[in-house]
Amino acid sequence: SQTIHQWPATLVQPVGSPLSLECTVEGTSNPNLYWYRQAAGRGLQLLFYSVGIGQISSEVPQNLSASRPQDRQFILSSKKLLLSDSGFYLCAWSVGPREGYTFGSGTRLTVV
Amino acid sequence: DQQVKQNSPSLSVQEGRISILNCDYTNSMFDYFLWYKKYPAEGPTFLISISSIKDKNEDGRFTVFLNKSAKHLSLHIVPSQPGDSAVYFCAALYGGSQGNLIFGKGTKLSVKP
Repeated sequence: SQTIHQWPATLVQPVGSPLSLECTVEGTSNPNLYWYRQAAGRGLQLLFYSVGIGQISSEVPQNLSASRPQDRQFILSSKKLLLSDSGFYLCAWSVGPREGYTFGSGTRLTVV
Repeated sequence: DQQVKQNSPSLSVQEGRISILNCDYTNSMFDYFLWYKKYPAEGPTFLISISSIKDKNEDGRFTVFLNKSAKHLSLHIVPSQPGDSAVYFCAALYGGSQGNLIFGKGTKLSVKP
């Protein structure tokens, strides 16, 4: 069966510090991978998606970046965090959006 | 510009009654719609979907209705149970089979015993 792992569950980081969130998927090959952010009053905002290794599309301009070094690994990074980067970050995968997305358990990031 | 709108941030319903969650969209190119349910500190889970060629899809206590002319869909939960208390997200698909989901802001449903 397919599973998705996302860590850490919670993170408190100072402004200006770097960020690395990791997401891995098991039990499927060549999934579409997504990073979403849930911020207060903003719903679920798509940040990045990837349809293959090294293929990253960004939906919104920001100081975050994403990478897909392996087929089932998706990483969200920042060189210098801003207060506005606080939120609940969710990784998801799908074989096609009509099949639905499977979300990870999320990371609560608080930038202080 | 919010293409998928859930105008009610919260809804409170008595156990056993019907819960109706509403969603409006602006892009007529959307052709597939999904509802997700999210508990606090967890990722959303897929609930039910509907294609634009249909106007109704039912799965147990959950029914989604689509009114294309009004660009409106709704999720009905009958009967509502306390375990249904969660945030419900409406999502729409653009870009065909390789498109990405656009989510609304969510509606927090509270079902009171």
